[in-house]
Amino acid sequence: EDQVTQSPEALRLQEGESSSLNCSYTVSGLRGLFWYRQDPGKGPEFLFTLYSAGEEKEKERLKATLTKKESFLHITAPKPEDSATYLCAVQVRDDKIIFGKGTRLHILP
Amino acid sequence: NAGVMQNPRHLVRRRGQEARLRCSPMKGHSHVYWYRQLPEEGLKFMVYLQKENIIDESGMPKERFSAEFPKEGPSILRIQQVVRGDSAAYFCASSLSGGNSPLHFGNGTRLTVT
Repeated sequence: EDQVTQSPEALRLQEGESSSLNCSYTVSGLRGLFWYRQDPGKGPEFLFTLYSAGEEKEKERLKATLTKKESFLHITAPKPEDSATYLCAVQVRDDKIIFGKGTRLHILP
Repeated sequence: NAGVMQNPRHLVRRRGQEARLRCSPMKGHSHVYWYRQLPEEGLKFMVYLQKENIIDESGMPKERFSAEFPKEGPSILRIQQVVRGDSAAYFCASSLSGGNSPLHFGNGTRLTVT
């Protein structure tokens, strides 16, 4: 069964304290891996797509990487406005897209 | 440049009533996905549709739930004879072509069953 697991479930950091979020997956026929950000009361907002092992994407303080078994979202020198839930999703056969439960990130000023 | 529009934003139904949730995809998008989210839970896949076709409904309960995406008009997620356990946020997303295209989400419909 296709599965996406994110860790940790929640993470509290001081402003400026860099860290990484993990997304591990067991799927048959990975077609792409996505990272999203979700703020309370809103729909998820697209951040990155990664297609193959070794690929990296960057946007401001965020950097996403992909291996054959997992992906990392690195957050460098975070600010309070980076507080949100970060969701990882994988696209499998027939274009079905399944999500992990997310990591709730809280950046303290 | 309108994004994905979902309505209503909030819907209250009594047990046994029907709930109809609407989703208008982004302009030019012909692929629609529906997800359900409970508090502090991830997004649970329900159904994936293209215009006039259901591609994958493996995440949708066999009874009481149905979805459509007609040639004209919005996609509809219909829940008949709602029960308290149906209370959740329901999100719709659209994509340009399905394969490797990122999803663009609406802000959801929050269904409360009393």
